[in-house]
Parts: sequence; structure tokens; C-alpha cells
Amino acid sequence: NAGVTQTPKFQVLKTGQSMTLQCAQDMNHNSMYWYRQDPGMGLRLIYYSASEGTTDKGEVPNGYNVSRLNKREFSLRLESAAPSQTSVYFCASSEGFREQFFGPGTRLTVL
Amino acid sequence: QQQVKQSPQSLIVQKGGISIINCAYENTAFDYFPWYQQFPGKGPALLIAIRPDVSEKKEGRFTISFNKSAKQFSLHIMDSQPGDSATYFCAARELTGGGNKLTFGTGTQLKVEL
Repeated sequence: NAGVTQTPKFQVLKTGQSMTLQCAQDMNHNSMYWYRQDPGMGLRLIYYSASEGTTDKGEVPNGYNVSRLNKREFSLRLESAAPSQTSVYFCASSEGFREQFFGPGTRLTVL
Repeated sequence: QQQVKQSPQSLIVQKGGISIINCAYENTAFDYFPWYQQFPGKGPALLIAIRPDVSEKKEGRFTISFNKSAKQFSLHIMDSQPGDSATYFCAARELTGGGNKLTFGTGTQLKVEL
């Protein structure tokens, strides 16, 4: 089992460009999450999906959109990237209220 | 507003020593308090967790102490080893309709020196 996988691992964008971060899990988990990690800020929840077909905003949703494509996949889209979105993005999944398992992260730089 | 406050920001401990990281929270709706360990270039991984009806939980060299009245909890790493060098995050869980939302502390970078 690969657990939680994320693509790409690294990405550099110019201001105003768009991109989609991909996340997939093979643990048959119902819930999936997107976090961003910034120095001195810890991890902050962007969006989450409690189950297939549902999505909800987290602490810092502005500038992002998400799609729960199916039970396995949860994507994060930046429509018009800004330098403030330079960060490391982590996807996680859990079986309901249980432990969250994290992917290896995507390091995004917006110039 | 930081709902989970973590200190210190960084910590250097000698091999064999005790590492202590502290966290405090305000939201009484939190019902579960995990600690995550993160190595450079990796995602966080669950280390140990505690529920608020328990004052202490021990797993090997790792112990969580929990003070519900003070709304504080801490991680103790006994006999710290160089392999424990990592960033540690405390977190607090709030249940939602179907999922669980974690609020993280700002992290503590631990270095264990020989």
C-alpha cells in the first residue's frame, strides 16, 4: 500500500498562473484533508471532505478550490496563484474520526 | 488567533536527556489531543495521542501529560536519542459532521546532540 500520494513533489509558478495539486489514498478512507505548512505557523487546514461528494472550508480557504473526484482522490486548485500561496501543501486522509495519515507534501513556490 | 499555543519553538537536548514540549488550548470543544512527528522532507506522522479524560499516557519513551483544568498538555521524551531529532507538533481535534478537524500548534524543532 502506498498510503497517501501527492503530485507533483515540487512546483514553481508565476503570479497569476493556475495549477492543480493531486492527492490519492489507497486506504479506503472516507475523509480527506488539505493543509498548508508555513514556517512558524504549523499546519493550517484549507479544505476537507468528510465523505465522497462533500467538501467544507477549513481555516484558510481563500484562493483555493477543491474537488473530491471519487473516494480515492481529492484535488486542490489554485486558480490565480499569488506569492502568499508559496508553501508546502499536505494532503491527509482518515477513516472518519480516526487518525489522519499524511502524504509527503508538495513544495510550491509562486514568483 | 492561534487556538493551540506551543512552546518552545526550538529545543536542544543532550543524548539521554529529557525533552519537554508544552501546549495550551482554549477551545473546550476539543476532544482528542495527538502529537505528530515530522522529519525533514516528510509528512507528519502520528506519534502518540491522549483523550481529556486521562491525565497521562505513556508509549515507550514518549509520555503525554494532560491537565484538563489548566487546558494544557505536554510531551515528554525520555532518554532522548539523535534519531528523535525532528519537528514535533501538538494538535487538538474538533469533531465535525463526519470528519475530524485538527488544529495544530506552531511546532517545536528538536535537536538531540551526542
